[in-house]
Amino acid sequence: GQNIDQPTEMTATEGAIVQINCTYQTSGFNGLFWYQQHAGEAPTFLSYNVLDGLEEKGRFSSFLSRSKGYSYLLLKELQMKDSASYLCASMDSNYQLIWGAGTKLIIKP
Amino acid sequence: GAVVSQHPSWVICKSGTSVKIECRSLDFQATTMFWYRQFPKQSLMLMATSNEGSKATYEQGVEKDKFLINHASLTLSTLTVTSAHPEDSSFYICSAHLDGGILSIEQFFGPGTRLTVL
Repeated sequence: GQNIDQPTEMTATEGAIVQINCTYQTSGFNGLFWYQQHAGEAPTFLSYNVLDGLEEKGRFSSFLSRSKGYSYLLLKELQMKDSASYLCASMDSNYQLIWGAGTKLIIKP
Repeated sequence: GAVVSQHPSWVICKSGTSVKIECRSLDFQATTMFWYRQFPKQSLMLMATSNEGSKATYEQGVEKDKFLINHASLTLSTLTVTSAHPEDSSFYICSAHLDGGILSIEQFFGPGTRLTVL
């Protein structure tokens, strides 16, 4: 079956670094997405990985290992506005997104 | 670019009534749009894939006669929740692919519609 696993909740301190892990099993693979979702709002795109390795985009980086079915989102220099849910989604062979349940990130001062 | 709008943003209705939600791609054409539902503290659940000019493809367990989807143009898809009941209360989100282009694999999301059925 298809499955996406990510931690339910994480807590970090303002200014620190946090890594949110995601493991996936999907029928075929056309890339791994990370989205940010604030409460009551729609998801916003953060990153897309289809090749192994690290993609860096400002304070956010995303890593993919296709052989391990593993990805992580790295957030540096955390700000209070980064408090949100972070959704991992794998695109299967039919180009459909299979979503994880999301990781709620709580940032403390 | 690549903006998707939804209307209404929120709606409260009585049980048994029907509610129509519009999803528009404002600055691009979208042959394919997706409708999701999200319950509190849960993941996005794909309800159906809406294809312009043809019937929508519904996910298993989603009643096509209850959730009517019409994708009449390349910029508009509508979801009608017929005879809504309290258990249909949820956050409904649409998304769209760009047709073609190097970013066509990405889905752009609308802001969502909060439906509350009394």
